[in-house]
Amino acid sequence: GQNIDQPTEMTATEGAIVQINCTYQTSGFNGLFWYQQHAGEAPTFLSYNVLDGLEEKGRFSSFLSRSKGYSYLLLKELQMKDSASYLCAVSLTSGTYKYIFGTGTRLKVLA
Amino acid sequence: DAGVTQSPTHLIKTRGQHVTLRCSPISGHKSVSWYQQVLGQGPQFIFQYYEKEERGRGNFPDRFSARQFPNYSSELNVNALLLGDSALYLCASSLPGQDTQYFGPGTRLTVL
Repeated sequence: GQNIDQPTEMTATEGAIVQINCTYQTSGFNGLFWYQQHAGEAPTFLSYNVLDGLEEKGRFSSFLSRSKGYSYLLLKELQMKDSASYLCAVSLTSGTYKYIFGTGTRLKVLA
Repeated sequence: DAGVTQSPTHLIKTRGQHVTLRCSPISGHKSVSWYQQVLGQGPQFIFQYYEKEERGRGNFPDRFSARQFPNYSSELNVNALLLGDSALYLCASSLPGQDTQYFGPGTRLTVL
């Protein structure tokens, strides 16, 4: 079957660094997305990894290992506004099911 | 540039009724996908349309249907509403040949 796993909740302190992990078991993998979703709002695109390695974009970085079915999102210099749910999602190349999302990781940033 | 727009913002229906949700993609985006997001869960893929044709379908019953119009806007229809259909319905659009999707604000559907 198709499955994405990520921690349900994480807590970190303002100014710190946090790493949110995501593991997946899917068929026909195309790429992996990270989205940020504040409560009651739509998901906002953060990053897209297709090849192995680290992609850096400001305070946010995303890593992918296709052979291990593993990704992480790294958030540096945490701010209170980073308190949100972070969604890991995979796009698929085979079958009619095109995208799978994890349940999301709720991050709480404490002062 | 305007982002993805959806209407209505909120909707309250009763069991057995049907509902139509609407979505307008970002200008230049030709692919539209629909998702259902229940509170506390990630979005569940329902449909993807590209150039008015269905290109993807998730594990939803036949009560769910969709279509895409020549201007690339889209409608999601749900018949015979159940209490369990209460959710946030998200629409996302993407450029031709690209995977990255951009989401609209969603329609919150409550079924009583």
